[in-house]
Amino acid sequence: GENVEQHPSTLSVQEGDSAVIKCTYSDSASNYFPWYKQELGKGPQLIIDIRSNVGEKKDQRIAVTLNKTAKHFSLHITETQPEDSAVYFCAAPNYGGSQGNLIFGKGTKLSVKP
Amino acid sequence: GAGVSQSPSNKVTEKGKDVELRCDPISGHTALYWYRQSLGQGLEFLIYFQGNSAPDKSGLPSDRFSAERTGGSVSTLTIQRTQQEDSAVYLCASSLVRGLTDTQYFGPGTRLTVL
Repeated sequence: GENVEQHPSTLSVQEGDSAVIKCTYSDSASNYFPWYKQELGKGPQLIIDIRSNVGEKKDQRIAVTLNKTAKHFSLHITETQPEDSAVYFCAAPNYGGSQGNLIFGKGTKLSVKP
Repeated sequence: GAGVSQSPSNKVTEKGKDVELRCDPISGHTALYWYRQSLGQGLEFLIYFQGNSAPDKSGLPSDRFSAERTGGSVSTLTIQRTQQEDSAVYLCASSLVRGLTDTQYFGPGTRLTVL
């Protein structure tokens, strides 16, 4: 089955700086990579996703890049704001197993200091 | 429209007692998932339902855990004879269909504390 590793586990940046979170996956058949944001006391919410037919996708201050050869994908947040502070999770499909359809990374706690 | 709802939001119970956690998925969503999130950890898959098919129970940690989904909508996760290690946030998610690339929409979770 799929294995997803996420780094770093914690990230602290100054407001206005950029933040980058990286994930690697093991199954070369994976073709869908979502990113979820979880605020304190709430469930995860999808913020952006990328499919294997593109290398980069942007949505305002958020972008995701995908390198299928190296089997890694990254979340980029530019011009960070305090409201970006949350835990971010990456995920990938688990084609080889029966444990639902997504395997999640362990999360990155992002703190944006004003 | 209404999102995924879960109840109760918080549950405190004594070791050995049974608990029931409820999930109301988004109307029309055929797939429903349960996850467990321990403090500072990622999401651990527990079980999923797709329409009227038999559920995939491969993620359930022990036979004390069970779940059902009535009428293809509301789901209940039951934990029997709770243990302290069951303390966690239990998250429910639903998606329109169980496609490998379908967005999963999460509820706010139920925080379970076993004393």
